[in-house]
Formats: sequence, structure tokens, C-alpha cells
Amino acid sequence: DAGVIQSPRHEVTEMGQEVTLRCKPISGHNSLFWYRQTMMRGLELLIYFNNNVPIDDSGMPEDRFSAKMPNASFSTLKIQPSEPRDSAVYFCASSSTRNEQFFGPGTRLTVL
Amino acid sequence: GESVGLHLPTLSVQEGDNSIINCAYSNSASDYFIWYKQESGKGPQFIIDIRSNMDKRQGQRVTVLLNKTVKHLSLQIAATQPGDSAVYFCAENYYNQGGKLIFGQGTELSVKP
Repeated sequence: DAGVIQSPRHEVTEMGQEVTLRCKPISGHNSLFWYRQTMMRGLELLIYFNNNVPIDDSGMPEDRFSAKMPNASFSTLKIQPSEPRDSAVYFCASSSTRNEQFFGPGTRLTVL
Repeated sequence: GESVGLHLPTLSVQEGDNSIINCAYSNSASDYFIWYKQESGKGPQFIIDIRSNMDKRQGQRVTVLLNKTVKHLSLQIAATQPGDSAVYFCAENYYNQGGKLIFGQGTELSVKP
């Protein structure tokens, strides 16, 4: 099994640009989670989906952030427009049980 | 300018010694508590979990202890190895909310050969 796949692994962009992060969960997993990790705030849950439906987006920082899961094998996290304070590592995780999540390698985002 | 980040608590141990990593939690409504290991440049990796109605669970070289009275969780690693060097996070799991995880700050474990 390839595990959770995220792309790109690194993204450098300029303030104001749109950024799209992608995630392919493990096949057969029905829950998908997006996290953000910074030194200041640690690991924060942004949003999670169950069976492709967004369940809790209370962690999404503001309207500039949006996430979609059009099918069971793909999800995107979009930031538009991006700001320097969005610089972080973004992780996607998937699970088939409620007490073990499998994390992807993360996308390191730098907004200049 | 450069932002000031939090400094993670650090635990330094000698190879072969036992390690104990501690975590305090705040919400008594958590269903499970989970320990994750994060190596540099990688995503967190599940180590072991414990249900909230248990006080001890053992895995391979790891033991998790839960004290609900003082809201304290610990991870014990026996015979610590250089490969155990990583940041360790405890997380509260809300089983009835789809397995939502709330992570603690993290502790950096450094193993000296």
C-alpha cells in the first residue's frame, strides 16, 4: 500500500496567489482529515470528511481556506488569496477506524 | 522578521535506558488517548492508544498509562534506541465525532548512543 499521498511536497508562492494542496487517501478509508503544523500553534485540525462529506470545518482559519472531497480517492485544500502567515506544513490523514489515522508526508508551504 | 516559535520540551536519554514522556490533557470527554511519533520531515505515526476506561496498555516496548484523576497521560519506552529519536505527541480522540484528534504540544526525545 502506498499510504496517504500528498502533492506537492513543497510549494513556494507569493502573497495573494492561489494555492491548492492535494491528497489521495488510503484506498478503502472513509475518513479524511486536513491538519496544519506550525511551531507557534503545533498540529491543528482544519477540517475532516466522512464518506466524502465535510463533517467539521470549525478549524478552518478563515474564508480564504476551502476544502473539497469530490470522491473517495481525492481531496483538495485551497487557500485564496494566500498570506505569509499561512506558511506551514499541511498534513492530510485518512482512517477506516475512529482511533487510528494514517498521515501523509505533508506539504511544506512557504508564502513570501 | 523571524517569528519566535515555541520551544518543545526536550527529553535526552542514553541508549538502552527507559524513557518516560508525559502529557496533560484538559477535556474529560475524550474517548481515547493516542500517542503519535513524528520523525523529522515526516508525518505523525500512530504508536499506541488507550481507551478512556483503561489505566494501562502495553505494546511492543511501549506502555501507556492514563490517570484520569489528574488528567495525565504518559508513554514509557523501554530500552530506548537511536531510532526512537523523534517528537512525540499525545492526542485526545473524540470517537463519537468521527475520530477527531486534538493534539498536545509535543515532546522531543533525543537518544544519545
